[in-house]
Amino acid sequence: DGGITQSPKYLFRKEGQNVTLSCEQNLNHDAMYWYRQDPGQGLRLIYYSQIVNDFQKGDIAEGYSVSREKKESFPLTVTSAQKNPTAFYLCASSIQRDAFFGQGTRLTVV
Amino acid sequence: AQKVTQAQTEISVVEKEDVTLDCVYETRDTTYYLFWYKQPPSGELVFLIRRNSFDEQNEISGRYSWNFQKSTSSFNFTITASQVVDSAVYFCALRGTDSWGKLQFGAGTQVVVTP
Repeated sequence: DGGITQSPKYLFRKEGQNVTLSCEQNLNHDAMYWYRQDPGQGLRLIYYSQIVNDFQKGDIAEGYSVSREKKESFPLTVTSAQKNPTAFYLCASSIQRDAFFGQGTRLTVV
Repeated sequence: AQKVTQAQTEISVVEKEDVTLDCVYETRDTTYYLFWYKQPPSGELVFLIRRNSFDEQNEISGRYSWNFQKSTSSFNFTITASQVVDSAVYFCALRGTDSWGKLQFGAGTQVVVTP
């Protein structure tokens, strides 16, 4: 089935660690996005990529990094510089006007 | 700057009641797209509808209907005869002309439907 796969579903990070969230899509979409969701808030854009080997900062990029080496993959690294990383992270891809989302990764700092 | 406001934080209804979710947006773009997504407890966002700024026709899909009024910058969503499975967070979102697919989301409205 075509879709967006995020892994893992749950992730625990110790203070000072970097962690990487995976996002893979087989929809042949050019554009991919990472959003962060905090309780009671809407989604906020972290990074987005329009084509391979190119990406742009969103509204809350500090403490995060991404890469886009393949069209299908857009991993997000949450670095130790991100002071409050506990949140729900959603990956999306889009073609033309519509965006489709993965099932999310819930990251918790322990 | 673009902004989406969903003033209702939570709405609780009894099954079979109708529920209307409000969405008000701000944008300077003349061409833009409005969306509604459903987020069930499992977490994924489910696409419900897209409406472009030139199409003000209301739309009905089963128990769902949408009322787009450009004059008041509103794009409201009504669930008719609500069911327990409608319990979720609903997000309204806006995409401008040159935003490369980036969506501006409202804060969401939690809908709780009790039997």
